[in-house]
Amino acid sequence: KQEVTQIPAALSVPEGENLVLNCSFTDSAIYNLQWFRQDPGKGLTSLLLIQSSQREQTSGRLNASLDKSSGRSTLYIAASQPGDSATYLCAVILNDYKLSFGAGTTVTVRA
Amino acid sequence: GAVVSQHPSRVICKSGTSVKIECRSLDFQATTMFWYRQFPKQSLMLMATSNEGSKATYEQGVEKDKFLINHASLTLSTLTVTSAHPEDSSFYICSASGGMNTGELFFGEGSRLTVL
Repeated sequence: KQEVTQIPAALSVPEGENLVLNCSFTDSAIYNLQWFRQDPGKGLTSLLLIQSSQREQTSGRLNASLDKSSGRSTLYIAASQPGDSATYLCAVILNDYKLSFGAGTTVTVRA
Repeated sequence: GAVVSQHPSRVICKSGTSVKIECRSLDFQATTMFWYRQFPKQSLMLMATSNEGSKATYEQGVEKDKFLINHASLTLSTLTVTSAHPEDSSFYICSASGGMNTGELFFGEGSRLTVL
């Protein structure tokens, strides 16, 4: 069974600092890996999708890497802003489109 | 990206009543939709996979008679919580896949169910 772990569970940084969020998974036979953002009481917003054949994806200040062999993905957020405060979820997508989610990292960016 | 709409966003009901939550793909056809449940401060747990025109596939531990799922068209899946109890209070989120070669999934905004 696929297990997804996110470390740290919570992170508080001053504005302007870069964020590094880690995700690890136990089974490397994944189809895709997707990073999401969730604001309190809200649904999920897709941030980045990395297909299994890719090693990284970038969108604006966000960069996500994927190392299937070691079962790791890292989300980097450059020059953090208070608006980046949210919970970030990592999910691995299996071949049947099922997702296994990590428990998330709750980020607080202090102004 | 593709848009998935979920309705209602919040619902409060009395214990024993049934509640229906709709999940619609607005600009694409979704052959497969997924229903998740999220408890406070916890991650999403997959409840069931809904395929258009066939019976849903439920994850272990999820009562299919309690959580009725219908995927009658390529743009609509519904989750009905039958005879709701306070322990069914939770945040329910749907996602949709279909017609997208990337395998990316798109999520609804979620529905907060409170059972009194």
